[in-house]
Amino acid sequence: DSGVTQTPKHLITATGQRVTLRCSPRSGDLSVYWYQQSLDQGLQFLIHYYNGEERAKGNILERFSAQQFPDLHSELNLSSLELGDSALYFCASREPSTDTQYFGPGTRLTVL
Amino acid sequence: KNEVEQSPQNLTAQEGEFITINCSYSVGISALHWLQQHPGGGIVSLFMLSSGKKKHGRLIATINIQEKHSSLHITASHPRDSAVYICAPPPLNKLVFGAGTILRVKS
Repeated sequence: DSGVTQTPKHLITATGQRVTLRCSPRSGDLSVYWYQQSLDQGLQFLIHYYNGEERAKGNILERFSAQQFPDLHSELNLSSLELGDSALYFCASREPSTDTQYFGPGTRLTVL
Repeated sequence: KNEVEQSPQNLTAQEGEFITINCSYSVGISALHWLQQHPGGGIVSLFMLSSGKKKHGRLIATINIQEKHSSLHITASHPRDSAVYICAPPPLNKLVFGAGTILRVKS
């Protein structure tokens, strides 16, 4: 158990819909990273938050947005969903003294 | 061209064999992560190293910053080592990940 929690574990929805994925970092970690892993592509970085502020953006689509709340949990919002958005979505938090990242178990999103 | 190249892409080994997975990168970096992703999907950070060698159980990671190369070795491999192994330079808020090496260890 990494200490990073993600909900839900699985999500099945239809094209055009909107979903929210939730992540809670390890206690004490201020960073949250979001990643997407689809079947035909490797792990791809989406966005990084640190203590409530956006720090870096990767290949995140305009239909996707994220935020980190004062209690440090983060939500990734995916809207106008397309079939190609079906993927595993991971979040991770970083332990600053060792620079080790701890990954959550992932949310498997299926868009039908 | 990806800035990080892993080899081999696929590897099948017999239980007990010594395994080496290589990671080469074209950009200058100061450190490297090795990640392990099990068939169930969960990702574990194995090592973050910036020089020399690190060992954790049967896993050994080495890095040569000047030669832009890192290796992950598994001694006395076991079927539970079957996973995808991914290398990536920190911080992990970039687009640069290795494509992964799919390792299957047969009993």
